[in-house]
Amino acid sequence: KAGVTQTPRYLIKTRGQQVTLSCSPISGHRSVSWYQQTPGQGLQFLFEYFSETQRNKGNFPGRFSGRQFSNSRSEMNVSTLELGDSALYLCASSLGTSGRQETQYFGPGTRLLVL
Amino acid sequence: QKEVEQNSGPLSVPEGAIASLNCTYSDRGSQSFFWYRQYSGKSPELIMFIYSNGDKEDGRFTAQLNKASQYVSLLIRDSQPSDSATYLCAVPTSGGSYIPTFGRGTSLIVHP
Repeated sequence: KAGVTQTPRYLIKTRGQQVTLSCSPISGHRSVSWYQQTPGQGLQFLFEYFSETQRNKGNFPGRFSGRQFSNSRSEMNVSTLELGDSALYLCASSLGTSGRQETQYFGPGTRLLVL
Repeated sequence: QKEVEQNSGPLSVPEGAIASLNCTYSDRGSQSFFWYRQYSGKSPELIMFIYSNGDKEDGRFTAQLNKASQYVSLLIRDSQPSDSATYLCAVPTSGGSYIPTFGRGTSLIVHP
C-alpha cells in the first residue's frame, strides 16, 4: 500500500507571496490533517479535512486555509507569507472514523523557507 | 488548553541500556496515547499505541500507562545507536474531536 505523499518537498518563497502544498493520503483514508512543525513550537495542528469538509481547526490565522477533493487529496494554502511561516509542514492521513483510536500516518513533509 | 509535557532532553544512554522516556498530560478524559519516533529531517512514524492502563510490549519497546497519575512512558530495551531520534508523545483530546496534541518531544542519543 502506498504511503502518504506530499509535494513539493522543498519550497523557497519571499515574504508576501502565497504558497500551495499538496497531500495525497493512503488509499482508503478519508481524513487528512495538516501540522506545522518548528523547533520553537513543536508540532502544531492546523486543520483536519474529512470527506471534503473541514472537521477541525487549530489556532492559526486565516492566512492558512485548506481544502479536500473528492478523491481525499488535500491542499493547504498560505497567503501573504511571513518569515515566521518557515517550517516543516506535515500532512497526516487516517481513516477518519476510529475516534480516539485513530492512527495517523505522516507524509514526508514540505519544508518551506520564507526569505 | 490541553497540555502534553515531555522533557526535551537530550537523554543520553549507552548502547545496550534501557532508555526511559516520559510524558504527562493534563486532559483527564484522555483515553488513548501514541508514541512517534522522528529521525532528524524526517517525518514522525508511529511506534506504539496504548489504550489500557498497564504495560504494552512490542519487541524492544514497552509503553506504560498510568491514567490515575496522568502519565505515559516508553521504555526502549537494549538501546541501539539507530534508536537515536526524537520521541513524540501524542494524546487525542477528549470531547469529540480526538485531534492529538503532541508533546515537544524528547531527544534520545544512544552512544556506542
